[in-house]
Amino acid sequence: GENVEQHPSTLSVQEGDSAVIKCTYSDSASNYFPWYKQELGKGPQLIIDIRSNVGEKKDQRIAVTLNKTAKHFSLHITETQPEDSAVYFCAASGYTNAGKSTFGDGTTLTVKP
Amino acid sequence: GAGVSQSPSNKVTEKGKDVELRCDPISGHTALYWYRQSLGQGLEFLIYFQGNSAPDKSGLPSDRFSAERTGGSVSTLTIQRTQQEDSAVYLCASSLEGTGLYGYTFGSGTRLTVV
Repeated sequence: GENVEQHPSTLSVQEGDSAVIKCTYSDSASNYFPWYKQELGKGPQLIIDIRSNVGEKKDQRIAVTLNKTAKHFSLHITETQPEDSAVYFCAASGYTNAGKSTFGDGTTLTVKP
Repeated sequence: GAGVSQSPSNKVTEKGKDVELRCDPISGHTALYWYRQSLGQGLEFLIYFQGNSAPDKSGLPSDRFSAERTGGSVSTLTIQRTQQEDSAVYLCASSLEGTGLYGYTFGSGTRLTVV
């Protein structure tokens, strides 16, 4: 089955700096890669996703890049703000996963004002 | 509704009692998932429903756990003879389809505490 590894497990940045979280996956048939943000006491919320026919996607201050050859994808947050502090999860899925997403273990991002 | 609704939001139960957790998915979403999240940990897959197909129960940790989805909508996760290690946040999510090509919308979860 699919295996997703996420790094780092914790990340602390100064407000205004950039943050990068990286994930690798094992199943070359996976073709959908979402990112979720989980704030304290809430369920994870989908913030951006990318499909395998695209190498990069951007939405305001967040962007995701995908390298299918190397089987890794990354989340980039620019001009970080304190409200970006949360736990971020990457995931991978596709037809061969029978529709289930496999999640990374999460990254706790702290943005210091 | 506009989002995934879970109830109760908090549940404290005595060891050995049975509990039922409810999930109301987004209308029109055919796929429904249950995950468990222990304190400070990641997301542990439990069970997955897709349309009228037989559910994928491969993540259920023991036969004390079961779930059903009635009418392709509301789902109930039942834990029998609860143990202290069952204490966690139980998250429900729904997705437009179960093809693995759409993101999940999660509920806020049910925090279960077994004392």
